[in-house]
Amino acid sequence: AQTVTQSQPEMSVQEAETVTLSCTYDTSENNYYLFWYKQPPSRQMILVIRQEAYKQQNATENRFSVNFQKAAKSFSLKISDSQLGDTAMYFCAFMKHWTIDYKLSFGAGTTVTVRA
Amino acid sequence: DGGITQSPKYLFRKEGQNVTLSCEQNLNHDAMYWYRQDPGQGLRLIYYSQIVNDFQKGDIAEGYSVSREKKESFPLTVTSAQKNPTAFYLCASGQESLRNYGYTFGSGTRLTVV
Repeated sequence: AQTVTQSQPEMSVQEAETVTLSCTYDTSENNYYLFWYKQPPSRQMILVIRQEAYKQQNATENRFSVNFQKAAKSFSLKISDSQLGDTAMYFCAFMKHWTIDYKLSFGAGTTVTVRA
Repeated sequence: DGGITQSPKYLFRKEGQNVTLSCEQNLNHDAMYWYRQDPGQGLRLIYYSQIVNDFQKGDIAEGYSVSREKKESFPLTVTSAQKNPTAFYLCASGQESLRNYGYTFGSGTRLTVV
């Protein structure tokens, strides 16, 4: 299994501020996909943002953006203008591109709490 | 609406019992997956299936069994051999042509041993 590391178990941010979650991964592959999933208190997993490794441009989805550093094997998530609804656990995930089984490997997660 | 339905939402198991968690999808996805979620450990893959009548072990398959008799259904049985079954279980589905979009997840089943 691929190793995905999220080094921040918990983070707290004031409403309207910015928070950055870190994720590193270990792979010898050149082509792969990276994802950030959000799991709010309802525990429903929601795809936040995705990145294809062959694309150099960092992905952006509204207030969510990533900083993809392929050489460093780093994939951080930035949440801008944090809202109370952003309170959730966030998981970084990795999937190989050239594989028959397209399995997702997940990090341990980072719990984000947005304070009013 | 297309999606994945997991049932029940909460399940209680006595020591020594086998229990089965249901997972049904109407997305016409070929692949289905079972993950276990424990605090501080993220999601760990139990079993996956990419085609009907075929499935593969994931990273923590011991004490679990699955079947894939229909494309829409992928039930997970937690057997008495699983020594620490209390956890949150997530089912997911995916399609190879859509792998760059990851998986679609169900809402999960919370299993507690009593």
